[in-house]
Amino acid sequence: DAKTTQPTSMDCAEGRAANLPCNHSTISGNEYVYWYRQIHSQGPQYIIHGLKNNETNEMASLIITEDRKSSTLILPHATLRDTAVYYCVGSGNTGKLIFGQGTTLQVKP
Amino acid sequence: GAVVSQHPSWVICKSGTSVKIECRSLDFQATTMFWYRQFPKQSLMLMATSNEGSKATYEQGVEKDKFLINHASLTLSTLTVTSAHPEDSSFYICSALGGGPDEKLFFGSGTQLSVL
Repeated sequence: DAKTTQPTSMDCAEGRAANLPCNHSTISGNEYVYWYRQIHSQGPQYIIHGLKNNETNEMASLIITEDRKSSTLILPHATLRDTAVYYCVGSGNTGKLIFGQGTTLQVKP
Repeated sequence: GAVVSQHPSWVICKSGTSVKIECRSLDFQATTMFWYRQFPKQSLMLMATSNEGSKATYEQGVEKDKFLINHASLTLSTLTVTSAHPEDSSFYICSALGGGPDEKLFFGSGTQLSVL
């Protein structure tokens, strides 16, 4: 399972796009990149995942570099409710996710 | 999306007693479930992988005799913290692997265990 590196914390103004980077230089060819977020005292919430191509859903967009060594999660219009810890996780065929420390995103009014 | 129900949400118990936490996949079958625990201001730490009908696989450093895992059906896994001590106080979270070609992990809402 790939080791991921994320900035410890980030701030974002409400209504602006939040771009959260993740480095996963050791990711293997069949490992997906997953993004989850966790609001205090709750279980992690799935956001998005991808393998090679960029992905978009109703919550966010995921941009994966061509060499797959890094990715960026984009929340297009951040709201105060998006304040959370965001985890970028690599997953192989075992299905288990090994979480790093994540990025604490603070959305400010 | 798929729903994973975890019960109870919080529990307080006396030192030396055992506590059982249930994890259910409500609208899908999960052959594999995972148990995590999380201490304050820390990330989730994987404890074990629970496979339906077989013994759980524990991560290094996790005592299998202390954290008993049973996965008797495709929708239910249980974690029993035996002879709990104050250092076992933590936030325990289960997750279930959903089906499909690109399986996602769905998480329960967690159980806050406080051992007095």
